This record gives sequence, C-alpha cells and structure tokens, in this order.
Amino acid sequence: DIQMTQSPSSLSASVGDRVTITCRASQSINTRLAWYQQKPGKAPNLLIFKASNLERGVPSRFSGSGSGTEFTLTISSLQPDDFATYYCHQYDSSWTFGQGTKVEIK
Amino acid sequence: EVQLVQSGAELKKPGDSLKISCKSSGYSFTAHWIAWVRQVPGKGLEWLATVYPDDSDVRSSPSFQGRVTISVDKASATTYLQWNRLRASDTAIYYCARPHSGIFSHLDFWGQGTLVTVSS
Repeated sequence: DIQMTQSPSSLSASVGDRVTITCRASQSINTRLAWYQQKPGKAPNLLIFKASNLERGVPSRFSGSGSGTEFTLTISSLQPDDFATYYCHQYDSSWTFGQGTKVEIK
Repeated sequence: EVQLVQSGAELKKPGDSLKISCKSSGYSFTAHWIAWVRQVPGKGLEWLATVYPDDSDVRSSPSFQGRVTISVDKASATTYLQWNRLRASDTAIYYCARPHSGIFSHLDFWGQGTLVTVSS
C-alpha cells in the first residue's frame, strides 16, 4: 500500500501569511494527488486535483505543485475562511489519505 | 446540480445490524463509481470501498474487506453501506463521495456524512 506522510500535523498562522503544507508518498504516484479542505462538522471539499489543477470555484490563492513523491499545497495569503484541516489524497494505486494538517489562528 | 444526500445519524448497540444510504442526483448514476470514506471523530479519512452502480462491481480496502457490504438500487439511484454485526470501533462519520472519472480518481462531490455511534 502507498503511504502518505503529511506535514506539519498542525500550524499556527496569521491572516495574510503564506502557508505551505507538504505531502510525501512512499512511492511515485505521478501527479495523481488531490487536496481537500475540511471544516468542523462538514464534509471535505475538493481544492486541487492532479497535483496542480484548481477545482472550479476555489480561490486562486490556493495552489498545488509536485510530482512523483513530493507535493505541496500553498495558500498565498491566508484568509479567515481558510482556517480548517487540509488532507492530501493519492489515487494512483487504490486510495490513501494523508493524516491531515490543522491550520489554526495565531 | 450534483448532490449526494445521506441518511441520518444512527445510535446502535454492539452486535446490531445497520444499513445507511446515499442518494445521488443531478448526474448519470450508473456512469460514476461511488466511494465510502470513514472518519473516526477527531481523526483522518480512511477509504472503505467503492462500487460501480451499473453492475455493482465492488472494490474494497483490505482493511475493511468482509466488515462492510455495499449495495446499489439503480431505480432510486441509492447506494447502501451495511454492517451485520457492529462493533464499538465502527463509531465514525461515514461519507459517500463521487470519483470524478473512473474508479480511482479525485473525489469531486461528497455527501454530508452519516454519524454512526455504536455504544452499549
């Protein structure tokens, strides 16, 4: 099974900060990676697919990059609505999710 | 508009059986797989299984194979997740979600989740 290691597990940041979250796969998954945002009591919401493609309706401050085994999600200027938990998800071989990164207010 | 609407929260005892549902609308039900994903409260996401509604082909995570059963009713565009004997460790929120294309794809639409609590 492909393991996904997401870091950090949590971070504190201020509005306007640039935030980067990393996900590492235990073997190459090409660009078959998605990122989701989840707020308390809600289902996950798709942000990025195929490593760097922005889902329709998602603000352009979100971006994704990477291929193979190393991927990043970047929020260019953190907004109040962005405080949430973020998950990476590989779909190259079966499915595996990262452990999540909780973005909290500093 | 694509929608996945799940059945309501359940409180069950260990050993009980349970069937929860996910009703799809706004797209061709038989043309997309439907996945079930679990989230233990306060924890991360885990894939359980995925079903192709057109022929009920099921692919399961080895971690959950044999523990849950997935079924489909094409007439009502509804997918079901079923347990025969619940355990306390089955307590979680269960989400259905639609892979964008093919069996293993990103999940572009999600149900609202069904909280299953198993407690004596």
